[in-house]
Amino acid sequence: QVQLQESGPGLVKPSETLSLTCTVSGGSVSSGTFYWSWIRQPPGKGLECIGYIYYSGSANYNPSLKSRVTISVDTSKNHFSLKLNSVTAADTAVYFCARVGDDAFDTWGQGTVVTVSS
Amino acid sequence: QSALTQPRSVSGSPGQSVTISCTGTSSDVGGYNYVSWYQQHPGKAPKLMIYDVSKRPSGVPDRFSGSKSGHTASLTISGLQAEDETDYYCCSYAGSYTWVFGGGTKLTVL
Repeated sequence: QVQLQESGPGLVKPSETLSLTCTVSGGSVSSGTFYWSWIRQPPGKGLECIGYIYYSGSANYNPSLKSRVTISVDTSKNHFSLKLNSVTAADTAVYFCARVGDDAFDTWGQGTVVTVSS
Repeated sequence: QSALTQPRSVSGSPGQSVTISCTGTSSDVGGYNYVSWYQQHPGKAPKLMIYDVSKRPSGVPDRFSGSKSGHTASLTISGLQAEDETDYYCCSYAGSYTWVFGGGTKLTVL
């Protein structure tokens, strides 16, 4: 079955860019059946969808983050990525990647903690 | 785009049933049949329990069921078990290619 694994720095300085990658195994990001998403969860808080992308590169973003977010896909490496620029302490969270299928987030990575601090 | 409204906590005794509500608007829950529910144990990734309002993925016990009326969706867990004690989140498509989650509900099994 498909598995997702997030990777990237666990500590980012304020005003810099947060960069994460989600590697897909047991399946292909090129599958036209699914979208691929990023979701985050601040400490002790709820879930927030950051955005998602189709294998073609077409992406959609949460309006509240749209000005700072870029999600991209690399079909040759079977992974997709998140960049969030101008980060602040409010961006400290667990970041999950997830597959979107059947109108829901049906498969999740284990999550990676990102702390914004100098 | 505001978060969907869930009760902060619910509780029930083993064997009983509990229902968790998820209230939105005509722009999300009331406008689409794309409501999903997730179970999240501490330190773990969320797990899909219900999609398209009332459908269960393979492997999810039939003790878990979903429904919707107007702007409010509900997750019902029957035959409560100790292992059900954790956090639950609802999610809805909100139009314009966006998704919105609820604030989460902590279920306590007494």
